[in-house]
Amino acid sequence: QQQVKQSPQSLIVQKGGISIINCAYENTAFDYFPWYQQFPGKGPALLIAIRPDVSEKKEGRFTISFNKSAKQFSLHIMDSQPGDSATYFCAAWEGTGGTSYGKLTFGQGTILTVHP
Amino acid sequence: NAGVTQTPKFRVLKTGQSMTLLCAQDMNHEYMYWYRQDPGMGLRLIHYSVGEGTTAKGEVPDGYNVSRLKKQNFLLGLESAAPSQTSVYFCASSKRDQPQHFGDGTRLSIL
Repeated sequence: QQQVKQSPQSLIVQKGGISIINCAYENTAFDYFPWYQQFPGKGPALLIAIRPDVSEKKEGRFTISFNKSAKQFSLHIMDSQPGDSATYFCAAWEGTGGTSYGKLTFGQGTILTVHP
Repeated sequence: NAGVTQTPKFRVLKTGQSMTLLCAQDMNHEYMYWYRQDPGMGLRLIHYSVGEGTTAKGEVPDGYNVSRLKKQNFLLGLESAAPSQTSVYFCASSKRDQPQHFGDGTRLSIL
């Protein structure tokens, strides 16, 4: 079953615009929500992350908005640049809680294209 | 500081052949993981290891085996490759409950 649903699958934005990618989850045991950025031919790299006790986290042009009651979170990229063109994955982490492994579940990915 | 290194970067196999993918990390991480990435499906965990000499199954383990004889290395084996195993394979490593660091992937095609 798909525990983390991500939308849209692809997104085209003009330079300077706002890119918004949404994710929804089902498992209330998730306690850490990272976003990964992946460029062609490279592995995913951690971009920004949030814990559910915070409703928003901002790092430069990247902002995560988190709605715990709706079990949704989103990535906003302000002033989008052509260099932001990449695939973005949301993910949800279920902590160890005393066990030996915390499970990371990925969304399906969004291909972002920013036109100059 | 190389981080996570995967070899080979590309490989083409025929159905039924076997091969081993190698992952090496130089960050002294306890945990290591193998994922596969397929279009529209994100990354799915194949196997993982929480320490030298230990391995465990992830979400999609069938058709794969792994070994972690040394802390810095994690091997993924395909005993009898099938076309359904055509994918991009990523290795990652982390400390316990810390973000995972990914390699740049191995692109595997099985004809």
